[in-house]
Amino acid sequence: IQMTQSPPSLSAVVGDRVNMTCRASQDIRGDLGWYQQKPGKAPKLLIYATSNLQSGVPSRFSGTGSGTDFTLTIRRLQPEDFATYYCLQDFSFPYTFGRGTRLEIK
Amino acid sequence: EEQLVESGGGLVQPGGSLRLSCAASGFTFSSYSMNWIRQAPGKGPEWIAYIGSLSNTIYYADSVKGRFTVSRDDANKMMYLQMHSVRAEDTAVYYCTRDPVMGGLDVWGQGTTVTVSS
Repeated sequence: IQMTQSPPSLSAVVGDRVNMTCRASQDIRGDLGWYQQKPGKAPKLLIYATSNLQSGVPSRFSGTGSGTDFTLTIRRLQPEDFATYYCLQDFSFPYTFGRGTRLEIK
Repeated sequence: EEQLVESGGGLVQPGGSLRLSCAASGFTFSSYSMNWIRQAPGKGPEWIAYIGSLSNTIYYADSVKGRFTVSRDDANKMMYLQMHSVRAEDTAVYYCTRDPVMGGLDVWGQGTTVTVSS
């Protein structure tokens, strides 16, 4: 299953709302997670199964979608949110990641 | 605290072998499926191996199939990745991750770095 993530990069300012998307090459039945990665660190799970907020993750992060199209929304961007974000389908093997969206400070 | 700690990385020559270890603590390791994920320098993460609880199901990415073997020791809360016939393109940070039934890879180790070079 191919995961097409867009945009590859995004510039925003603190307080903005941003969206990024992942499109799967086939129906993945909602088995889609979003991960945040900062330089030199392991990815961190934010959202699992399309829209479930991982424990400890701020509520400004949210996920929506179904079938093949999924969106991560970050409301009221905070300085610590500038990072790279990846989607991952865990519907079937091989699990596949999107190529990432780099969220940069404008 | 639920934690995963990888070890065993290092410099290895092309064609050589290496065994990575992942030590789990703070949760019932035997109840969870586990994965190995790697990330080459400047690239995104790549899933490479999965092992189910009880070792009943194992999957590999095509890029490592036939060269890498994943295993687990539930008594000692350990997972392993035996790497053979390594190539330059295996150079990466290797992470072990927990794979709960509800979805998402919710616990990650800090990673161990493998460098394949002569």
